[in-house]
Amino acid sequence: DTGVSQNPRHKITKRGQNVTFRCDPISEHNRLYWYRQTLGQGPEFLTYFQNEAQLEKSRLLSDRFSAERPKGSFSTLEIQRTEQGDSAMYLCASSLVARGTEAFFGQGTRLTVV
Amino acid sequence: TQLLEQSPQFLSIQEGENLTVYCNSSSVFSSLQWYRQEPGEGPVLLVTVVTGGEVKKLKRLTFQFGDARKDSSLHITAAQPGDTGLYLCAGPRDQTGANNLFFGTGTRLTVIP
Repeated sequence: DTGVSQNPRHKITKRGQNVTFRCDPISEHNRLYWYRQTLGQGPEFLTYFQNEAQLEKSRLLSDRFSAERPKGSFSTLEIQRTEQGDSAMYLCASSLVARGTEAFFGQGTRLTVV
Repeated sequence: TQLLEQSPQFLSIQEGENLTVYCNSSSVFSSLQWYRQEPGEGPVLLVTVVTGGEVKKLKRLTFQFGDARKDSSLHITAAQPGDTGLYLCAGPRDQTGANNLFFGTGTRLTVIP
């Protein structure tokens, strides 16, 4: 296991379409985070899971966004009815509860909504 | 709300120069982390500081956590082009350290050969 894996790396979609991203965390990590990052900014927190439980969701996460982590392993982030403002880099990270918030990030999924 | 403000926002220096970037907050953090991010990639963890006044060194990088655990600095000695990137500080959103990770605004460093 070489780290956090995100797929796809790039996604171009038309406005109004639904998209789904996948994140495979480091296998022994029990905590998984999703962030969104726009150009020139630091990552903005969206949501996080501890095992399969979604413990917190940001107010940034509108009703069009949903995340799941079935069985506490991989996670998916779905965006319904995409808007141009959803264009961003979507980052996934994982960590061990015992290591606090030391997070290891994937390479991200770059979403472009046209 | 715990805010992490980083300065400067942008920094461009010549290879071989020294530099310091700062991460400041009005709130106390149980720990702070520093990450470096290159274009098109995710952030990579550099270090975690936990104790007020703590200094950690990673080759030419020196990280310091403020005595009051409200601020941190990153000093780079003899910068190299490979140091170019976005430097982010981050900390747990609440003081127990149990909550999610909150990022600062970032310092974009460019080292010119």
